Formats: sequence, C-alpha cells, structure tokens
Amino acid sequence: EAQVTQNPRYLITVTGKKLTVTCSQNMNHEYMSWYRQDPGLGLRQIYYSMNVEVTDKGDVPEGYKVSRKEKRNFPLILESPSPNQTSLYFCASSFNDRVYGYTFGSGTRLTVV
Amino acid sequence: DAKTTQPTSMDCAEGRAANLPCNHSTISGNEYVYWYRQIHSQGPQYIIHGLKNNETNEMASLIITEDRKSSTLILPHATLRDTAVYYCIVRVHNAGNMLTFGGGTRLMVKP
Repeated sequence: EAQVTQNPRYLITVTGKKLTVTCSQNMNHEYMSWYRQDPGLGLRQIYYSMNVEVTDKGDVPEGYKVSRKEKRNFPLILESPSPNQTSLYFCASSFNDRVYGYTFGSGTRLTVV
Repeated sequence: DAKTTQPTSMDCAEGRAANLPCNHSTISGNEYVYWYRQIHSQGPQYIIHGLKNNETNEMASLIITEDRKSSTLILPHATLRDTAVYYCIVRVHNAGNMLTFGGGTRLMVKP
C-alpha cells in the first residue's frame, strides 16, 4: 500500500533530550515536507526537501533540523526540545503535485515537558 | 500564493450535496486551486485540484468561475464520514514545495 509512515505516533519527552521523528514513503516521491499543527494556528510548514540532499526552510524552522540522505526517508530532528515544540507533526510527500497532490502521514503527537 | 477566504463552518444533511465555497480574488494566471481535507487530527487528505476547467474525480467536483476569482468544491452525496475541515489552497505548481493552509471550513454532515 502506498503510504507515508511516521514514527512514533505518540511521544512524551523532557526538555533538552534530543529526539528524532522518522518519516518514510514508499512511493518514490521526490518532494517531502514536515508540518506542525497547533490549535488556532493551523498547519505550518517546518522544512521541505525537493530531492536527496536538497532541503530548505519552511515557515517555522527554528529548533528543528532535517536530513535527506535517501529518497524515501526524511527524519525530523529536535536537538534540544522545548515545551513550545509540543505539537502535532505531519510528514508529507509528493512525486510532483501536477497530478496527485501530497500524501500525508498519520501524524506524531509530541509532548515536551 | 494568493490568499483564500472560506466560511468558518457549514452544515449539510447526509445524502445531500455539500457545496463548499472559496474566494481567491487575487489569484494569478499560473496559480492552481487545491482542496484538501482533514478528519479530526488525521493527516490532511488531498481531494482535487484545477487551473481553470472544472474537474471531477471519485471524491468530488471542483467548479472554478470563469474569472477564476472563486471556486466551489462539491461533495455530491455527503456522508457522515465527510465531516472534516476542508482547506482551499491556491498556489503555483511545484512552488518550492510550499503548501500554505489557512483556517479552512469545518463541514458538519448531519443525519
């Protein structure tokens, strides 16, 4: 089944403890992206990647890192998480959006205490 | 990307057509209209997109006015499972991979 897989689905962590949220897609998509969703603020893009080794900042990149070493994976790294990064995170991918739009993962609910 | 305006919420009776409007009066010639929906904290789901012609797929129809300043997403026979937030997004294809989500329309399908 074609899908975007995020792990973990839920995570509670403490301030300052480095964590990685993984994202993998099995559709050979070139474009991948990370979003966060907060009440009243909607979905905001964190980082995106247009191909392997090509990444760029979205609207809210502060406090996050990403890497795109291979086409299928696009992990989101929080080097020193803080409580204001408590959010619902989504990964998305697209071959290109001329035809199909973006496929989103099921989300990762992160709580930083 | 052009700004969009959608009603905050709408109700629809189950089995009836749901017509969700979107205004995008500042749309430019190379910008497409996309629709996504999000069902209660699940990942957003792509529905349909178009440039200037009306489009239809297995999920919905998209009607774009001739001047392209507004559009309507039509769910022909709404079911309870169509209850979701619907987002209208206007953007250029492959525009640096940016999808900007506004507030959307919360559609409530009622029995």
